[in-house]
Amino acid sequence: EPEVTQTPSHQVTQMGQEVILRCVPISNHLYFYWYRQILGQKVEFLVSFYNNEISEKSEIFDDQFSVERPDGSNFTLKIRSTKLEDSAMYFCASKFQGLGDADTQYFGPGTRLTVL
Amino acid sequence: AQKVTQAQTEISVVEKEDVTLDCVYETRDTTYYLFWYKQPPSGELVFLIRRNSFDEQNEISGRYSWNFQKSTSSFNFTITASQVVDSAVYFCALSEDTGGFKTIFGAGTRLFVKA
Repeated sequence: EPEVTQTPSHQVTQMGQEVILRCVPISNHLYFYWYRQILGQKVEFLVSFYNNEISEKSEIFDDQFSVERPDGSNFTLKIRSTKLEDSAMYFCASKFQGLGDADTQYFGPGTRLTVL
Repeated sequence: AQKVTQAQTEISVVEKEDVTLDCVYETRDTTYYLFWYKQPPSGELVFLIRRNSFDEQNEISGRYSWNFQKSTSSFNFTITASQVVDSAVYFCALSEDTGGFKTIFGAGTRLFVKA
């Protein structure tokens, strides 16, 4: 069964460093998402991406964050200058189609980011 | 605006007890989708069920059942004869049929099932 994959599973970085989290969505999916879950808290929406552009973003997704689909398979989240409060689990998700049929978003296993 | 409320922060039961996890949602859309996800200690999000706003039929899947009531904006989840392996955090979530179809999650209910 197709699945969303994420690499790395755990990333440790120093405050102020740039990190790139990678995701490979399911191949025929059209919508892509990043979510964040700070330890012990709820899953929060960061950004949705469709047709090679951001379709919606949350207040969390400030100028320090960016997303990119550099080729036909990868979907990346970049944090330019990490802060301690960026430590969280980051989930990538993808969905097949949109208008009139919000199919289930399939979530990847997550990347645990630890900022020291 | 979308909102999902899971008022129960933690529930503790003894194995074989039935347990119901509550979920109340708010939305202005007439078309929306409701979900339940399980998050075991390993951290991944495991999809359990999706319901669209036009389908109020309750569903049963093995020991799991879901009660969707639009009149009270609730989508409750019952585990019958709970088992230790059911111990996890359970999230209720809502997605509207607009914009980027983002999913809004509730705060989660941590379920402890004791042997």
